[in-house]
Amino acid sequence: KAGVTQTPRYLIKTRGQQVTLSCSPISGHRSVSWYQQTPGQGLQFLFEYFSETQRNKGNFPGRFSGRQFSNSRSEMNVSTLELGDSALYLCASSTGGSYGYTFGSGTRLTVV
Amino acid sequence: GIQVEQSPPDLILQEGANSTLRCNFSDSVNNLQWFHQNPWGQLINLFYIPSGTKQNGRLSATTVATERYSLLYISSSQTTDSGVYFCAVVGTSGSRLTFGEGTQLTVNP
Repeated sequence: KAGVTQTPRYLIKTRGQQVTLSCSPISGHRSVSWYQQTPGQGLQFLFEYFSETQRNKGNFPGRFSGRQFSNSRSEMNVSTLELGDSALYLCASSTGGSYGYTFGSGTRLTVV
Repeated sequence: GIQVEQSPPDLILQEGANSTLRCNFSDSVNNLQWFHQNPWGQLINLFYIPSGTKQNGRLSATTVATERYSLLYISSSQTTDSGVYFCAVVGTSGSRLTFGEGTQLTVNP
């Protein structure tokens, strides 16, 4: 079956703009999580959605938001982009609960 | 929150050598996974192993949950094994993955 699909793969944005990233989970998976990876901070948890509800949220400013649709696809939005938002954004899906997570290929965001 | 420590941070091997990567965690876990990050950034799941031992080809992993550590063994390493290996856990009170800082493995021909 198809894996976790993230789009787009690469993005270049200007400071102050906003951006939306998309993640389609594995069919049947209802949990979608987002992570940010930077050289300085490593892999950090952003938020998790399960059945269209935010179940968990990391320690990120309110400029970072997300949502999940009824088909389990998820989007994350970053408003008023800052240079420090440049990162690899990874999405993971699972069946929910404490089971294994499968990651997508990521979206590499560069803010200039 | 739960803490995850990986060692060593860097490892350089000659092709054909064996290696052991370690992951220590600070609290009980419901989930522990080992990932290999490929050059394009994708995290490839190697093992889902909250306890016990598993093997997949040249790779195997053991988690001793009572002592709060996990080991990833790579035998007969190949240049394609190069990359960063991450250990990640989910604590018993949450659903988020907490990652270690990774082990950068370089396998030279």
